[in-house]
Amino acid sequence: ELKVEQNPLFLSMQEGKNYTIYCNYSTTSDRLYWYRQDPGKSLESLFVLLSNGAVKQEGRLMASLDTKARLSTLHITAAVHDLSATYFCAVGGTGNQFYFGTGTSLTVIP
Amino acid sequence: EAGVAQSPRYKIIEKRQSVAFWCNPISGHATLYWYQQILGQGPKLLIQFQNNGVVDDSQLPKDRFSAERLKGVDSTLKIQPAKLEDSAVYLCASSLGRLAGPYNEQFFGPGTRLTVL
Repeated sequence: ELKVEQNPLFLSMQEGKNYTIYCNYSTTSDRLYWYRQDPGKSLESLFVLLSNGAVKQEGRLMASLDTKARLSTLHITAAVHDLSATYFCAVGGTGNQFYFGTGTSLTVIP
Repeated sequence: EAGVAQSPRYKIIEKRQSVAFWCNPISGHATLYWYQQILGQGPKLLIQFQNNGVVDDSQLPKDRFSAERLKGVDSTLKIQPAKLEDSAVYLCASSLGRLAGPYNEQFFGPGTRLTVL
């Protein structure tokens, strides 16, 4: 079974700072998805990464994929309070299944 | 475009009771997924349907969980009898499936929060 690890599990950062969340996975895949989950809410799609070297940006978030290293990163630039949420990466399996990471709980402090 | 609908949103039951959840996917989405999300963890796939056929149910505890997707649209997930460790949020998701090719993004419903006492 494909294993997905995220780190850190918890992240507390000040507004205006930069930080990176890491997502490692155990077996080959060329599909990587990032989701955001607010407390008590469902998952909201952020990025779909489909090839080695893919980079996508939306506002203060930028995601990248290195399929050779089996690593994706979610970089946060100049964090603001509205970014406080839990972020999940999910790796696509051979049968269109998703394997989710443990999640990173981000708190942005004013 | 309407999203994935789920009901009920909340359910509290005693252990050994039965419970059922309902999901209506996005119109035209061939693939439907049920996930279990325990507090503090990522979603874990329970079962995946392609139209009305099961693609993957390897992580479904079949002694107590069952799911069906009659007519390839709505789906129900049932737990009978429930255990304390079944307390979780049950998420339904849908996607276009094979028609989407590699860009097979899943869209999630609001979830059903189950508490087993």
